[in-house]
Amino acid sequence: DAGVIQSPRHEVTEMGQEVTLRCKPISGHNSLFWYRQTMMRGLELLIYFNNNVPIDDSGMPEDRFSAKMPNASFSTLKIQPSEPRDSAVYFCASSSGQGAPWYGYTFGSGTRLTVV
Amino acid sequence: AQSVTQLGSHVSVSEGALVLLRCNYSSSVPPYLFWYVQYPNQGLQLLLKYTTGATLVKGINGFEAEFKKSETSFHLTKPSAHMSDAAEYFCAVSDQAGSARQLTFGSGTQLTVLP
Repeated sequence: DAGVIQSPRHEVTEMGQEVTLRCKPISGHNSLFWYRQTMMRGLELLIYFNNNVPIDDSGMPEDRFSAKMPNASFSTLKIQPSEPRDSAVYFCASSSGQGAPWYGYTFGSGTRLTVV
Repeated sequence: AQSVTQLGSHVSVSEGALVLLRCNYSSSVPPYLFWYVQYPNQGLQLLLKYTTGATLVKGINGFEAEFKKSETSFHLTKPSAHMSDAAEYFCAVSDQAGSARQLTFGSGTQLTVLP
């Protein structure tokens, strides 16, 4: 298994531009999580999906952020328009969600976003 | 609601010394407990987990943790630190119920290993 795949690994964009981050979860996992990590705020849960349906988006900071999961093998996190304070590392994680035993989350390698 | 407290945001040890990273949890039901490690510029990797059974859990790279229900703790230890152990460590808790299990993460402990 290739694990959770995120793209791109690095993204540098200008303020005001649209940014799209992508995630491919592990096949068979039915829960998907988007996190943001910064030095100041640590690891923050932005949104999570269960069976492709958004369950809790209370962590999404503003309406500029949106996330979709059109099918079980793909999710996107979009920021439009981007701002310098969005600069962070964004992680995607997936999980089997149900059943036993449960092995927790598998994280992707992250996307380092820099907005200049 | 579940919560995790990691005591000490930064811990420094000398190479060869004991590593002890503290984690206390709060959960109203029997918990699943996890330790994740994050090396620089990488994602979080599972170090070890407790679900049921033996309360002393062994993980990768010589780390182990003991679930102590009476103390609501799940401290991470390693007898002898190596330079390659320098990383950030996250403790996490989940309850055993629910149709879509979620992890609640602690704020992390940055481990520095001194030569």
